[in-house]
Amino acid sequence: EIVLTQSPDTLCLSPGERATLSCRASQSVSNNYLSWYQQKPGQAPRLLIYGASSRATGIPDRFSGSGSGTDFALTIRRLEPEDFAVYYCHQYGSSSWTFGQGTKVEIK
Amino acid sequence: QVQLQGSGPGLVKPSETLSLTCSVSGGSISSYYWSWIRQPPGKGLEWIGYIYYDGSTNYNPSLKSRVTISLDTSKKQFSLILNSVTAADTAVYYCATGLVWFGEFRGFDPWGQGTLVTVSS
Repeated sequence: EIVLTQSPDTLCLSPGERATLSCRASQSVSNNYLSWYQQKPGQAPRLLIYGASSRATGIPDRFSGSGSGTDFALTIRRLEPEDFAVYYCHQYGSSSWTFGQGTKVEIK
Repeated sequence: QVQLQGSGPGLVKPSETLSLTCSVSGGSISSYYWSWIRQPPGKGLEWIGYIYYDGSTNYNPSLKSRVTISLDTSKKQFSLILNSVTAADTAVYYCATGLVWFGEFRGFDPWGQGTLVTVSS
């Protein structure tokens, strides 16, 4: 099973700042099959990125995904008030799919 | 545009069977992974498994012995059965789906609203 480790656990930033979230895999993720989700309290997660770098439909271009192999990142170019949430990475490159433990982006 | 609506009991007794259903509207059953994901209160997401429209399944190895996911194409529903539940199975259970486009999964989108299932006597 591929273990995904996200860092940091919590990121304290101000609106307008840039956020960079990391997701590291215990082994290489085949075909860079990695996605990112945003979850707000009481809501289902929302797909942001799939295939490591492809934005899902309707996602603003301030969200971008990058990386390959074992190291991936989600960047939020300029944080808007609605971006403060928990973010999860997910790999689907192996037969056993797994999620990272999440990174909380909170207002400084 | 596919929409999902999950349903099922919110309380299950220990050692009994959890059974949830997800109804699909607004789209085709074909070319999608029909999936279940759960989230214990205050914790992260755990993938349970999926069924493809051709009936093939893939389960989380840690749950495989207790899980069955099925698909009823005529009713446009898919279901989750989890046997021999314990308090550790208390969670919000989400149904979710994702398009498979030329062999590539495009991520879980959309999701159902989530059903809180509590395991307690």
